[in-house]
Amino acid sequence: AQSVTQLDSHVSVSEGTPVLLRCNYSSSYSPSLFWYVQHPNKGLQLLLKYTSAATLVKGINGFEAEFKKSETSFHLTKPSAHMSDAAEYFCVVSDVGYGQNFVFGPGTRLSVLP
Amino acid sequence: DGGITQSPKYLFRKEGQNVTLSCEQNLNHDAMYWYRQDPGQGLRLIYYSQIVNDFQKGDIAEGYSVSREKKESFPLTVTSAQKNPTAFYLCASASGITGELFFGEGSRLTVL
Repeated sequence: AQSVTQLDSHVSVSEGTPVLLRCNYSSSYSPSLFWYVQHPNKGLQLLLKYTSAATLVKGINGFEAEFKKSETSFHLTKPSAHMSDAAEYFCVVSDVGYGQNFVFGPGTRLSVLP
Repeated sequence: DGGITQSPKYLFRKEGQNVTLSCEQNLNHDAMYWYRQDPGQGLRLIYYSQIVNDFQKGDIAEGYSVSREKKESFPLTVTSAQKNPTAFYLCASASGITGELFFGEGSRLTVL
């Protein structure tokens, strides 16, 4: 069975400072991992994905994430937060190739202070 | 432009009424999903379909029904049996090539 833990339900940073959103997963298979962002009353948008290629994945809007198998982690980072980054972020694990089941973490709300 | 279209965006319903939420995709994806999101909560899977004319219950299927008569369409009916239907509903489809989910803009259902 797969599961996803997002260690912080809410993260608050100042504009221009680094962002770190933490995600740990468990999976019986070689997983695919995703980060999605959701702005209020909107659908989810893909930020980046890991699918067994490079362990450091670069995404849109300056975000990146590093897959660490030994730590079963896939933390999301950004060097400098912007006000427009304030949103809900979801870490997702998938067993693509085994029925395309997606398991979502509970989400982390990112606040960016001026 | 390819994507997923959900309608209506906002819907109000009286208790005891069924309501159908529309989801259409032109991405040529086989797999489609319906999720429910409550305030401050993550996404919970209602139903999913891997292929036309076939679908499976997710974690919270009670009080909901779906159909998959066409590849492009996966409508969700919220029946009067759903005890707490007020929520934000998200439809998604999955690429069999890239493995990622694509989402619609959501439908917000409020029961009065």
